[in-house]
Amino acid sequence: GNSVTQMEGPVTLSEEAFLTINCTYTATGYPSLFWYVQYPGEGLQLLLKATKADDKGSNKGFEATYRKETTSFHLEKGSVQVSDSAVYFCALRGGGGNKLTFGTGTQLKVEL
Amino acid sequence: GAVVSQHPSWVICKSGTSVKIECRSLDFQATTMFWYRQFPKQSLMLMATSNEGSKATYEQGVEKDKFLINHASLTLSTLTVTSAHPEDSSFYICSAPTGVSSYEQYFGPGTRLTVT
Repeated sequence: GNSVTQMEGPVTLSEEAFLTINCTYTATGYPSLFWYVQYPGEGLQLLLKATKADDKGSNKGFEATYRKETTSFHLEKGSVQVSDSAVYFCALRGGGGNKLTFGTGTQLKVEL
Repeated sequence: GAVVSQHPSWVICKSGTSVKIECRSLDFQATTMFWYRQFPKQSLMLMATSNEGSKATYEQGVEKDKFLINHASLTLSTLTVTSAHPEDSSFYICSAPTGVSSYEQYFGPGTRLTVT
């Protein structure tokens, strides 16, 4: 079946530091890949997506590239802000339909 | 953007009682909604797919008689935890795609259930 593995947190960074959150997946066929973000007290929000190999999703300074050869979709941001503090979930959608398979989530804490 | 609400946001109940959680799409219609369960520091686990006007589809290992799902209208799905036990304490989250093949899913803020 499908599965998503992402790095454990929490990840604590200083403001303006570079961020990488690793995500790898196992799936049959050609899944679509997503990053969702959950701010404190709020529901998950779609951050970015990529639907085919070599696609790069980007939003709010975050980027992730769909790497089929390494089955990865690592999230990166060049300069984090305190407002980026949240839990980030990597997810995939495969095999048709709208079902999502999530990773365990990575908490990011950005300090001044 | 589209909004999905859940009610209540948190609930405490006694063992043996039943609790109903509502999930509403506020500005779009959803023929399908998803119910997830999230344990602390763990991923969201899909419990079931709620289908408007028909029976829900449950994931393997989820007791359909314990977690009753009703999708009575295009904007409302309910999850009822029947005869709740402390092990049912968890964070329950619903989501709804904005279209049949839409990549965009909107998530509710979740409901914290504590069974004492």
